[in-house]
Amino acid sequence: QVQVVQSGAEVKKPGASVKLSCGVSGGSISESPMHWLRQAPGHGLEWMAWVDTANAATYFSEVFQDRLTFTRDRSATTIYMELGGLTSADTATYYCVRETAYGETWPLEFWGPGTRVTVSS
Amino acid sequence: DIVLTQTPATLSLSPGERGTLSCRVSQSLNSHYISWYQQRPGQAPRLLIYGGYIRATGIPARFSASGSGTDFTLTISSLQPEDFAFYFCQQDFYLPRALGQGTRLEIK
Repeated sequence: QVQVVQSGAEVKKPGASVKLSCGVSGGSISESPMHWLRQAPGHGLEWMAWVDTANAATYFSEVFQDRLTFTRDRSATTIYMELGGLTSADTATYYCVRETAYGETWPLEFWGPGTRVTVSS
Repeated sequence: DIVLTQTPATLSLSPGERGTLSCRVSQSLNSHYISWYQQRPGQAPRLLIYGGYIRATGIPARFSASGSGTDFTLTISSLQPEDFAFYFCQQDFYLPRALGQGTRLEIK
């Protein structure tokens, strides 16, 4: 059974960066692209980025284009999302999600538990 | 970019009633590209429906979805207490992946 695992909660000051990790148990992280979404307290979900974990190709929402970066560890078991220039508006739960290919559609099937990021001075 | 608009924002119903949630897309879309998700309080979302109408693994038969073109619907035939949650639709083909802003299904 595939499970997406994420790093623990973070508290950051405005202007700082946060680096979140995401891995997959019960499968290889390279098998299927991953997405990142976030949810501010009391709000709906906001899609942030798509990462092809097989070749490191990425697609970012325009909203985050200038301050989002992705890396992989050498064993390619974990990916990292770094969001810079944090403000209080970035306070949210960040979800890493693995998509599954079903013919011509790629729904977000396996969700991580989320990582809560709090930005506060 | 594609925009998904969900109505109503909040739906108040009683257990046993039928719930109908709508998702309108800003451009005509192959129905296979629509999925629906449920998020219970304090939990991560989970996939309910993909491919426009296919229930994900373990999803009860009371959940169904339909639609074509720009209008899509999630129907819950007889609401159970655990169904009162937040629901959102998404298009699963194009990048960026657009999501609806969601419908909160609450107990009346």
